Amino acid sequence: GNSVTQMEGPVTLSEEAFLTINCTYTATGYPSLFWYVQYPGEGLQLLLKATKADDKGSNKGFEATYRKETTSFHLEKGSVQVSDSAVYFCALGQAGTALIFGKGTTLSVSS
Amino acid sequence: GAGVSQSPSNKVTEKGKDVELRCDPISGHTALYWYRQRLGQGLEFLIYFQGNSAPDKSGLPSDRFSAERTGESVSTLTIQRTQQEDSAVYLCASSPGGGTSGSRAQYFGPGTRLTVT
Repeated sequence: GNSVTQMEGPVTLSEEAFLTINCTYTATGYPSLFWYVQYPGEGLQLLLKATKADDKGSNKGFEATYRKETTSFHLEKGSVQVSDSAVYFCALGQAGTALIFGKGTTLSVSS
Repeated sequence: GAGVSQSPSNKVTEKGKDVELRCDPISGHTALYWYRQRLGQGLEFLIYFQGNSAPDKSGLPSDRFSAERTGESVSTLTIQRTQQEDSAVYLCASSPGGGTSGSRAQYFGPGTRLTVT
């Protein structure tokens, strides 16, 4: 069945460091891929998405490229801020089904 | 317009009691989902409603869990004879749905934190 695997956390970085959170997936067909973010004490928010191979989703300085050849959707940001501290979830979606989420990666950024 | 809302925001109940959790989706969204998030875990799919189709109940963990949806509006998730392992945050999400619903993002409510003592 379909699944999403993302890197274990926590990830601890200093402000302005480069961020990569790895996400790989297993799916039949052509899923859409998402990154959601959950800030402390808040609900899940969509961060970015990509609906087909080679698409790049981007938002708030974060980017992820849908790589079909490596079945990956890694999240990157060039310079993280303290306010980026949150839990990040990679997710996969296909028509007629609920999203399948990874287990989440906690990011902690210190000044 | 308003986002997805859920009530109550917090619920503490005694083991063995029944609870009802409510979700109001974004107006016009035909698809509605319930998930469970245990402490430190990812999201676990529970049930999915799409328009007037039969719901996908494949994620419900036991027959103590059930959910209803009235048309394309409010949904209630009911947990009967609650157990301590039911303690979690219950999240509701909605999306516009439709034939290409896999590409459509889901919009989440703030969740209901359920504690079973």
